Amino acid sequence: GNSVTQMEGPVTLSEEAFLTINCTYTATGYPSLFWYVQYPGEGLQLLLKATKADDKGSNKGFEATYRKETTSFHLEKGSVQVSDSAVYFCALSVSGGSNYKLTFGKGTLLTVNP
Amino acid sequence: GAGVSQSPSNKVTEKGKDVELRCDPISGHTALYWYRQSLGQGLEFLIYFQGNSAPDKSGLPSDRFSAERTGGSVSTLTIQRTQQEDSAVYLCASSPRTGGNPSYNSPLHFGNGTRLTVT
Repeated sequence: GNSVTQMEGPVTLSEEAFLTINCTYTATGYPSLFWYVQYPGEGLQLLLKATKADDKGSNKGFEATYRKETTSFHLEKGSVQVSDSAVYFCALSVSGGSNYKLTFGKGTLLTVNP
Repeated sequence: GAGVSQSPSNKVTEKGKDVELRCDPISGHTALYWYRQSLGQGLEFLIYFQGNSAPDKSGLPSDRFSAERTGGSVSTLTIQRTQQEDSAVYLCASSPRTGGNPSYNSPLHFGNGTRLTVT
């Protein structure tokens, strides 16, 4: 089956620190990979995505590279801000069959202190 | 513009009661999804609608759970005889794609969810 494992939080950083949130996956088929973010009091929103191996998704200073050889899609940001405090979810979707379903990780709570 | 709207935002109910959760998707979105977010469990897929039909109900946890969608728009998730383990945040999402993999080019747009507490 399909599954996503991401590092457990909470993660607490100081402003301008470097962020890495690890994500690995198992999938039957060739997945597309996503990071979603949930800011306090808001719904989930797509942060970035990558649809094939070696693609790099990027948005708002965040990046993640689709690594097929290590089945990973780690999220990184060079300098976090207080406004980045949120819960981050790694997710995948596999084409073919029930390909509309997103399989999510359990989420990682990030807190950035000034 | 208007996003996905869910109501109520919070619901507290007694064990054994029935509850209805409502989702208003973004206008024109043909695909609608329900997910459940439990503490420490991440997001679990419940059901998917394409128009008014539900090609995939495989995530519904038991026969106490049902959902319908009318007019290709509003959806209602009903939980009968609620149990304490039903306590969670129920999230609705919509997508404009009408077929194929909606995730590739049309990411899911999520509502803020309904927090259900069963006492």
